[in-house]
Amino acid sequence: GENVEQHPSTLSVQEGDSAVIKCTYSDSASNYFPWYKQELGKRPQLIIDIRSNVGEKKDQRIAVTLNKTAKHFSLHITETQPEDSAVYFCAASGDFGSKLTFGTGTRLQVTL
Amino acid sequence: GAVVSQHPSRVICKSGTSVKIECRSLDFQATTMFWYRQFPKQSLMLMATSNEGSKATYEQGVEKDKFLINHASLTLSTLTVTSAHPEDSSFYICSARARYWDEQFFGPGTRLTVL
Repeated sequence: GENVEQHPSTLSVQEGDSAVIKCTYSDSASNYFPWYKQELGKRPQLIIDIRSNVGEKKDQRIAVTLNKTAKHFSLHITETQPEDSAVYFCAASGDFGSKLTFGTGTRLQVTL
Repeated sequence: GAVVSQHPSRVICKSGTSVKIECRSLDFQATTMFWYRQFPKQSLMLMATSNEGSKATYEQGVEKDKFLINHASLTLSTLTVTSAHPEDSSFYICSARARYWDEQFFGPGTRLTVL
């Protein structure tokens, strides 16, 4: 089955700096890669996703890049703000109806 | 986005009792629902996938007789934790997806504490 690895497990940045979180996946059939933000005790919230026919996607301060050949994808957050502090999870899945496999999570701390 | 509700949000029960958690898609037909368990400071671990009208598919290591899943309609799935024990204490989250959607929509989660 699919295996998703995520690094780093914790990340501390100063407000205004950029944050990058990286994930690798094992199943070359995976074609959907969402990123979730989860605050303590809350549900995961989709912040951005990318499909395998696209190499990069951007939404304001958030961007995701995908390298299918290397089987890795990354989340980039620019101009970080304290409210970006949360746990971020990457995930991967295959065709419609298939399950999501989550990475282990990254705890992002944005300090003033 | 689509809305998924989950009830109850929090439950405390005695060891040996059964607990039922409901997951509802409020504004779309959920052909597939997923149940996850999340222990503190850990990732979401998929327990089972349920498709409307058919038996759930359980992940390896998840006891189907202990975690009963029913997906009787396109808007409702239930997870029953039977004979709960303290080690079952966790955050249980459901998600739902319509046919041909990539995105899953998550419920708010249920915090289960077994005393």
